[in-house]
Amino acid sequence: KNQVEQSPQSLIILEGKNCTLQCNYTVSPFSNLRWYKQDTGRGPVSLTIMTFSENTKSNGRYTATLDADTKQSSLHITASQLSDSASYICVVRNYGQNFVFGPGTRLSVLP
Amino acid sequence: NAGVTQTPKFRILKIGQSMTLQCTQDMNHNYMYWYRQDPGMGLKLIYYSVGAGITDKGEVPNGYNVSRSTTEDFPLRLELAAPSQTSVYFCASSNLGTSGGLNYNEQFFGPGTRLTVL
Repeated sequence: KNQVEQSPQSLIILEGKNCTLQCNYTVSPFSNLRWYKQDTGRGPVSLTIMTFSENTKSNGRYTATLDADTKQSSLHITASQLSDSASYICVVRNYGQNFVFGPGTRLSVLP
Repeated sequence: NAGVTQTPKFRILKIGQSMTLQCTQDMNHNYMYWYRQDPGMGLKLIYYSVGAGITDKGEVPNGYNVSRSTTEDFPLRLELAAPSQTSVYFCASSNLGTSGGLNYNEQFFGPGTRLTVL
């Protein structure tokens, strides 16, 4: 069964600290992997998109990594800010218009 | 560009009532999608469209209908609302792009419609 799992379910960190969110997937075939940020009450917004040939991709303070062999991805947030408080969703594109969404990690950044 | 807009933002329905969730995009995207998001779960695809006049079922289409008469609009219809349809509904649109020489669709999401069926 095509699945995307994320850990931890929730995370609390202090402003200025770094953190890493994990994503494991069992989706096959694999087309690409995305990370989205979803603020409370808003729609998801794309942070990065990676194909199987890309190991790492950065977007400002966000850096995503992909290991297609172990089917794992991580999202590293550097020097966190209060505005980073949100849910972070890992999504794997299967084929065609089939996207498998993870349940998300809820990040809270405290002052 | 306004991007993807959805109306209404909130709605409460009684069991058996019907309603249409509106979705409009101004980015001239060919692809449009409807998802539902339930607490603690990943988004599930209800229906999608690859262009005007073309629609197809996603993972959870039962109880819903869609139409795509124009590139901009992709309304979602609930005919007989049931409590199981209580959820947050997101519309998204995309076009083909490239990364690393391969094609991908970057999806742009609307702000969502929170629907409660009592």
